[in-house]
Parts: sequence; C-alpha cells; structure tokens
Amino acid sequence: DVQLVESGGGLVQPGGSLRLSCAASGFTFSSYAMSWVRQAPGKGLEWVSGITGNGHSTYYADSVKGRFTISRDNSKNTLFLQMDSLRAKDTALYYCAKGDDYNPPCFDYWAQGTLVTVSS
Amino acid sequence: DIQMTQSPSSLSASVGDRVTITCRASQTISDWLAWYQQKPGKAPKLLIYKASSLESGVPSRFSGSGSGTEFTLTISSLQPDDFATYYCQQYNMYSVTFGQGTKVEIK
Repeated sequence: DVQLVESGGGLVQPGGSLRLSCAASGFTFSSYAMSWVRQAPGKGLEWVSGITGNGHSTYYADSVKGRFTISRDNSKNTLFLQMDSLRAKDTALYYCAKGDDYNPPCFDYWAQGTLVTVSS
Repeated sequence: DIQMTQSPSSLSASVGDRVTITCRASQTISDWLAWYQQKPGKAPKLLIYKASSLESGVPSRFSGSGSGTEFTLTISSLQPDDFATYYCQQYNMYSVTFGQGTKVEIK
C-alpha cells in the first residue's frame, strides 16, 4: 500500500526557516512527480511546489518562489520542502502528495498533513 | 496562472438528491481536470481524473464531464457519506490550481 508520512512541522517565528520531510513507501518513488499542497486554517487548497520523478525539474507557486525549495532523495524515498523567510501567511497544514502518471499531475495519494505555524 | 471557479460555493441537499457542481477554467485546459473530496480533518481524496475517469474504488454514483473550460461533477444519488467539501484542480500546466471548493451540507 502507498504510504506518505510527513514530519518537520511546528511553530516558527516570522523570518525563520523550517524543513518538511515526506517519507514514501509502497510505490517506485523515483517514477513519480511529487508536490506539496497547503491549506490555511478554514481555507481551500493551494498548490505550493512540485518536482519531477528524477528531481531535474522543479516548480513553484508565485507566493513561495525564491523562499521555498523542493527537493527529493530517491535513494531514501523522501521528499523535502525547505521553507525560508517564513511569513504569517505561510501558516497552514502542508500536505505531501503523490502525482499520477502525468506532469503536471493530479494527486492520487496524500499524506496526513503537517502543521506549520508562523507566529511571534 | 489559470483561475478555477467553482459554483456554487455551498449547497444544501437531502439524501437521495442528484447534486451537480460546476468548475470553470479561465482558459482552455482540454480534459486535464481532477475532482477531490475532503472531509473535516482529513486529506483530500481523488475522485475523478482527466475530467471523466473514475478513480479506482470510488463509487459509481460519482461522475465527471466536460472539456475545454467547463466541467461538472455529478453525484447521482447523494449518500450520508458524501457530505463534504469538493475541489476541482486543473493540471494542464504549472502552476496547478484548485477551485475554491464547494461545501455540500445536509438539508
């Protein structure tokens, strides 16, 4: 069975940094694009960033471009999101999501979400 | 970025009702459209991909249609488990974008 397990969320001050991880199992990780999608409290879904299966291409929403960096370690079946210069508006539940066979993908499996709170 | 607009934003319906949710794209996206269901405190669940293909394990009362800029999600006979928020998503190009959501509530 496909499993995605996130870690790394927490409380951080404005301007601070945080690194999210997503450990994947149950599928050939390197064959699929992956993304991060976030959801602010009481709000809708916002795609944040995506990366191809081989890690050679990365994509970002304008709201995080230049501040967030997506990466993956296919030898460890793990996806990362490095978040720098965090702002209050970045407060959200962050989901790691597995892409389907296409790029850009839709998302056929989602992790449980990890909460990031940016506050002083 | 391609803007996705869902309507209505919310609706009240009874068990057994036929429910239709519309999603419009600000430019043509062919059939690169997915639908998700999200329940409170849970991650989204993929229902429909490529506008009309039913994801494995999803009940057949869910169906999707449309192409270009206009799409619909139909629930043929609403069940108690279907009360949730539904999102469309375009994946024609990056940045992928979601609609604002449609909350389906019990009448």
